[in-house]
Amino acid sequence: SQTIHQWPATLVQPVGSPLSLECTVEGTSNPNLYWYRQAAGRGLQLLFYSVGIGQISSEVPQNLSASRPQDRQFILSSKKLLLSDSGFYLCAWSGYYNSDDINYGYTFGSGTRLTVV
Amino acid sequence: AQKITQTQPGMFVQEKEAVTLDCTYDTSDPSYGLFWYKQPSSGEMIFLIYQGSYDQQNATEGRYSLNFQKARKSANLVISASQLGDSAMYFCAMIPAGSGNTGKLIFGQGTTLQVKP
Repeated sequence: SQTIHQWPATLVQPVGSPLSLECTVEGTSNPNLYWYRQAAGRGLQLLFYSVGIGQISSEVPQNLSASRPQDRQFILSSKKLLLSDSGFYLCAWSGYYNSDDINYGYTFGSGTRLTVV
Repeated sequence: AQKITQTQPGMFVQEKEAVTLDCTYDTSDPSYGLFWYKQPSSGEMIFLIYQGSYDQQNATEGRYSLNFQKARKSANLVISASQLGDSAMYFCAMIPAGSGNTGKLIFGQGTTLQVKP
């Protein structure tokens, strides 16, 4: 069965420090991978998605970057964190490849709660 | 523009009663998928139910049913016999087929449901 691992669960980082959040998927190959951010009490904002190794698309300009060094690994990074980077970060994978797969939806990781102080 | 609108920021329901969470969507794609997710206070995103745009019947999954009115572009979630464990934030989401192979999931802002004993 497919599983998705995301860590760490919580993180408190000072302003200006670097960030690295990792997400790995098991039990599937060539998944679509996504990073979402959720502000407190709000909806999910898509930050990055990847349809293959080395292929990263950014949805919003920001202080963050993403990389996919391996098929089932997706990393969210920042060189210097800002206060506004605080939030709940969710990684997800999908087996969606075309409109025939539209019922695949997503499987989400357990999330990382990031507080920048 | 493709958009999901949830107009109820918060709702209360008495235990054992039914509740309807509203969702309207906007897309020009003839083919799309609609999803509902539950997010308890732990932050995990739990898939509840899926409705395809060409499905003739409303989707049902246990106590969850989706009231799909295509002409009105609405996809309301109905929870029957509410339980205390249903207290959570609920998100309506959509994948338009026109998203190509990216499978980008568009989320609404969410509705917080509180079940009263």
